[in-house]
Amino acid sequence: NAGVTQTPKFRILKIGQSMTLQCTQDMNHNYMYWYRQDPGMGLKLIYYSVGAGITDKGEVPNGYNVSRSTTEDFPLRLELAAPSQTSVYFCATTGNTEAFFGQGTRLTVV
Amino acid sequence: DQQVKQNSPSLSVQEGRISILNCDYTNSMFDYFLWYKKYPAEGPTFLISISSIKDKNEDGRFTVFLNKSAKHLSLHIVPSQPGDSAVYFCAASGGTQGGSEKLVFGKGTKLTVNP
Repeated sequence: NAGVTQTPKFRILKIGQSMTLQCTQDMNHNYMYWYRQDPGMGLKLIYYSVGAGITDKGEVPNGYNVSRSTTEDFPLRLELAAPSQTSVYFCATTGNTEAFFGQGTRLTVV
Repeated sequence: DQQVKQNSPSLSVQEGRISILNCDYTNSMFDYFLWYKKYPAEGPTFLISISSIKDKNEDGRFTVFLNKSAKHLSLHIVPSQPGDSAVYFCAASGGTQGGSEKLVFGKGTKLTVNP
C-alpha cells in the first residue's frame, strides 16, 4: 500500500498562475484533509472532506478550492497564486485513529 | 487564538537522557491528543496518542502524560537516541478518537539529541 501520495513534490509558480496539488490515498478512508505548514508554524487546516462529494472549509481556506469526486482523490486547487501561499502543503487521511500524511508539496510563489 | 500551544520551539538533550516535550491546550472540548514526529522533507508520522479518559499511555520508549485539570500533556522519551532528533507536533481533537474530527496542531518543538 502506498498510503497517501502527493504530487508534485516541488513547484515554483509565478504570481497569478494556477495549479492543482494532487492527493491520492489507497487506504479507503472517508476523511481527507489539506494542511499547510509555514516556517516555524504548526499545521493549519485548509479544507477537509468527510467523504466523496462532501467538502468543508478549515481554518485558512481563502485562495483555495477542493473537490472530492472519489474516495481516493482530494485535489487542492490554487486559482490565482499569491506569495502568501508559499508554504509546504500536506494531505492527510484518517481512519478510526491517527492521521496518515503524505510527504508534502513544497510550493514557492514568486 | 492558539488552542494548542507548544511553548518551547527547541530542545536539546544528551543521548541516553530523558527528553520531555510539553504541550498546553485551551479548549476543554478536546478529548483526544496525539503526538506526531516530523523529519525534514517528510510528512508527519504518528507517534503516540492518549484519550481523555486516561492519564498515561506508554509505548516502548515513549510515554504521554495527560493532566486534564491543567490542560497539559507531555511526551517523555527515555532513553533519547540521536534518531529521535526531529520536530514533534502535539495535536488535539474534540470528537471521536481523532479519526473523524479535525486535528488542531501546535507549532512544534524541534528536538535535538546529541551523541
